[in-house]
Amino acid sequence: TQLLEQSPQFLSIQEGENLTVYCNSSSVFSSLQWYRQEPGEGPVLLVTVVTGGEVKKLKRLTFQFGDARKDSSLHITAAQPGDTGLYLCAGAGGTSYGKLTFGQGTILTVHP
Amino acid sequence: KAGVTQTPRYLIKTRGQQVTLSCSPISGHRSVSWYQQTPGQGLQFLFEYFSETQRNKGNFPGRFSGRQFSNSRSEMNVSTLELGDSALYLCASSRTSGGYNEQFFGPGTRLTVL
Repeated sequence: TQLLEQSPQFLSIQEGENLTVYCNSSSVFSSLQWYRQEPGEGPVLLVTVVTGGEVKKLKRLTFQFGDARKDSSLHITAAQPGDTGLYLCAGAGGTSYGKLTFGQGTILTVHP
Repeated sequence: KAGVTQTPRYLIKTRGQQVTLSCSPISGHRSVSWYQQTPGQGLQFLFEYFSETQRNKGNFPGRFSGRQFSNSRSEMNVSTLELGDSALYLCASSRTSGGYNEQFFGPGTRLTVL
């Protein structure tokens, strides 16, 4: 069974601070996706990383996939109140058709 | 390009009833996956359909079933509802179902069982 451990579970910071969310597993994933979810809505895809060691940037967000494709991180620079939400990492296995394994999520609150 | 749509957005049912939820994937996407999201368990995979065939199934009882039509639209059915079935049900579509598996989610159906 593939598991993804996401940390921290909760993060409360002031506007302008930096933060990092981690996603770790003992399993290898074919790809890893990061989503952001607002209350009562579906998760919105932020990025997909596929290659070990890959780094992708999306404005103030930096995503990294571990060399062994077992872990990933999301770093936000100079957080803003609009970044508030639930961040989820999800891994796709090579032969597990259509199934994403999700981390428990990180609830981020950015205070003005 | 229109996103994934789900209907209805909200449902209230009583124990013992059954319910059918509908999902229309992004045009051109042939894979539809269903997930249950609850505060305690997070997002858990229910099943996946690709070209009208169930390719993968999660760890849920047989009361949870689904199907996919030739136009890739999908439905899931829950029979004999229990209080614990109250959750946000999400469907996601993908162009393929293999390893890359980039999934796009709909807004969800909030099911409340009384």
